[in-house]
Amino acid sequence: AQSVTQLGSHVSVSEGALVLLRCNYSSSVPPYLFWYVQYPNQGLQLLLKYTTGATLVKGINGFEAEFKKSETSFHLTKPSAHMSDAAEYFCAVNTNSGYSTLTFGKGTMLLVSP
Amino acid sequence: DTAVSQTPKYLVTQMGNDKSIKCEQNLGHDTMYWYKQDSKKFLKIMFSYNNKELIINETVPNRFSPKSPDKAHLNLHINSLELGDSAVYFCASSRDRVPNYGYTFGSGTRLTVV
Repeated sequence: AQSVTQLGSHVSVSEGALVLLRCNYSSSVPPYLFWYVQYPNQGLQLLLKYTTGATLVKGINGFEAEFKKSETSFHLTKPSAHMSDAAEYFCAVNTNSGYSTLTFGKGTMLLVSP
Repeated sequence: DTAVSQTPKYLVTQMGNDKSIKCEQNLGHDTMYWYKQDSKKFLKIMFSYNNKELIINETVPNRFSPKSPDKAHLNLHINSLELGDSAVYFCASSRDRVPNYGYTFGSGTRLTVV
């Protein structure tokens, strides 16, 4: 079985501050990991993904995430928050186990203040 | 040129009515999905089709019936709508049966049952 835990349903930062959104996964086999962003009244958009290879993955809008197998984590970071980053962020995992779907975390709302 | 398009975007209807949501993808993907997002933003898989074949059918009331006339289309018909059906319904597609490269989402259909 696979599962995803996102720590913190809400994260608040000031504009220009570091963004850190936490994601831990549970999987008995090597995972494929994803971060999606959902802006208000919109669908989910892929930010970045880890499949194999380099553990530091760069995505759109200046975001990046690092796969740490020993910590079963895939935290999302951005050095400097912009007001436009305010949105809901979802971490997801897939374990390539036959008929499978992505398992999503419960989401973290990122709030950015001026 | 929208990759995954859903119609309608908003749907307001009375309890007991029957309604349909349509989804089309022009990405050439093999697999399509329906997800339900509740008021707490939790995403729950409902159905998955691979090349018109139903491969995932989660615990969903029989009032929900998906239909895939071809691999580019996946529709969702809901009979006897109930208040608890109010949610945002997302269609998504993936390149392969196992979504190792993630999903592409539609923009969602916000269903409100009154």
